[in-house]
Amino acid sequence: QKEVEQDPGPLSVPEGAIVSLNCTYSNSAFQYFMWYRQYSRKGPELLMYTYSSGNKEDGRFTAQVDKSSKYISLFIRDSQPSDSATYLCAMPEETGGGNKLTFGTGTQLKVEL
Amino acid sequence: GAVVSQHPSWVICKSGTSVKIECRSLDFQATTMFWYRQFPKQSLMLMATSNEGSKATYEQGVEKDKFLINHASLTLSTLTVTSAHPEDSSFYICSARGGQGRTPLHFGNGTRLTVT
Repeated sequence: QKEVEQDPGPLSVPEGAIVSLNCTYSNSAFQYFMWYRQYSRKGPELLMYTYSSGNKEDGRFTAQVDKSSKYISLFIRDSQPSDSATYLCAMPEETGGGNKLTFGTGTQLKVEL
Repeated sequence: GAVVSQHPSWVICKSGTSVKIECRSLDFQATTMFWYRQFPKQSLMLMATSNEGSKATYEQGVEKDKFLINHASLTLSTLTVTSAHPEDSSFYICSARGGQGRTPLHFGNGTRLTVT
């Protein structure tokens, strides 16, 4: 079993839809969580990071963490074609200051006109 | 802020030659830099962690003599793929962290390496 599970998609939605992207994890040592967006042939871009359970909102994006269920989500409201990308969840292992990141496989999202 | 620049963005080389990829933190000092490799439609796989002024720590299965990492300053790390072969063709991405603890990682735009 992978430490971080993420549905690879692809996920296709119409413009304006609310998108829900999810990851589950098995390592209870993960304490904070990040979402990255990666466009084709580009490096990942940090979208949001959160330390605690609950919701964190930033514009059209909301990150949700449920540590009891080991489940995290990223919601995108009023989705736009420019949101079409691969979304990766990531969690660092806080060992010796190295903070090695464990990534999900990424979910490919396509927002259609 | 927190810009990481990677160069070149793409490179084609012949089998047996070496290729150097540079990763720079433009507006912060990077105490730690990470090198990842990504195959098409797959996630990022960590290759090695480098701290300024010390030897890199390689992940299991990554050949340290083939993938040479140098982190000589707080703003520059280099990855050299030595004696490249077609199976080394991949997307290589660096990332950097400006501080310790729970500081998020910022990524470069990646280097697409094609070995012919």
